Amino acid sequence: GENVEQHPSTLSVQEGDSAVIKCTYSDSASNYFPWYKQELGKRPQLIIDIRSNVGEKKDQRIAVTLNKTAKHFSLHITETQPEDSAVYFCAASPGGTSYGKLTFGQGTILTVHP
Amino acid sequence: DAGITQSPRYKITETGRQVTLMCHQTWSHSYMFWYRQDLGHGLRLIYYSAAADITDKGEVPDGYVVSRSKTENFPLTLESATRSQTSVYFCASSDFGRANTGELFFGEGSRLTVL
Repeated sequence: GENVEQHPSTLSVQEGDSAVIKCTYSDSASNYFPWYKQELGKRPQLIIDIRSNVGEKKDQRIAVTLNKTAKHFSLHITETQPEDSAVYFCAASPGGTSYGKLTFGQGTILTVHP
Repeated sequence: DAGITQSPRYKITETGRQVTLMCHQTWSHSYMFWYRQDLGHGLRLIYYSAAADITDKGEVPDGYVVSRSKTENFPLTLESATRSQTSVYFCASSDFGRANTGELFFGEGSRLTVL
C-alpha cells in the first residue's frame, strides 16, 4: 500500500518568515495530494490540494508543488502569522472514486513566534 | 445547519466491552469515512462507504465493524474494545462526484479511552 513520509516533524519560525514542509510517497498510482491543517483540539480542515496533472498551485500565502517523477510534494507558507500555528498533514490517494482513501503523513507541528 | 456531527465526544470504556461511535451528516454526501488519529501516525483510514449499504475496508479495519443503512449515518462499532483502540476517531464525509472536489469534511472527533 501507499506510504507517506513527512518532514520535519516540528518546525519553528518567526512571524513573517516562510515555512516549508515536505512529503514523499511511494505509490506511483497516487494522483491526488491534499494538505490539511489541524489546530489544537480541532478537526482537520483542507487548506490546499493538487492533482497529478498540475505541478504547482497557489492560494494567497499558501502554495503546493508536486514532483511526480521524484514522488514528492511540498507545502510552502509565506509571510507566516501566529494563526498559522497548527499541525499540518500531507496525504495522498489514487483520486477518482478513491479520493477519500487518503494515506496521511505523520504531521508537522508548526509554531510561528510573534 | 449542523453539517457532520459525532457522538459521544468523549467515552471511557473497559477492555472487552462493545462501543459504538455515531456519525451523522446533513449534507447528503455519498461518501463517508472513519479515521483514527494517534500520535506519530497521523490519521489512518479504518472503513469507508461510497453509498448506503456499500462499505469497504481501509488501512486498519481489524476489530471494527461499520454499517450504513441510511445515507446520513455511518456508525462505527468496536465489538470487543482493546487498549490499542484508545484513540481519537474522526468521521468524515465528501461528495466527490457532484462537487468535483476531493475535500473531506471532518466531524469534531470522538476521544475514546479503553482501560
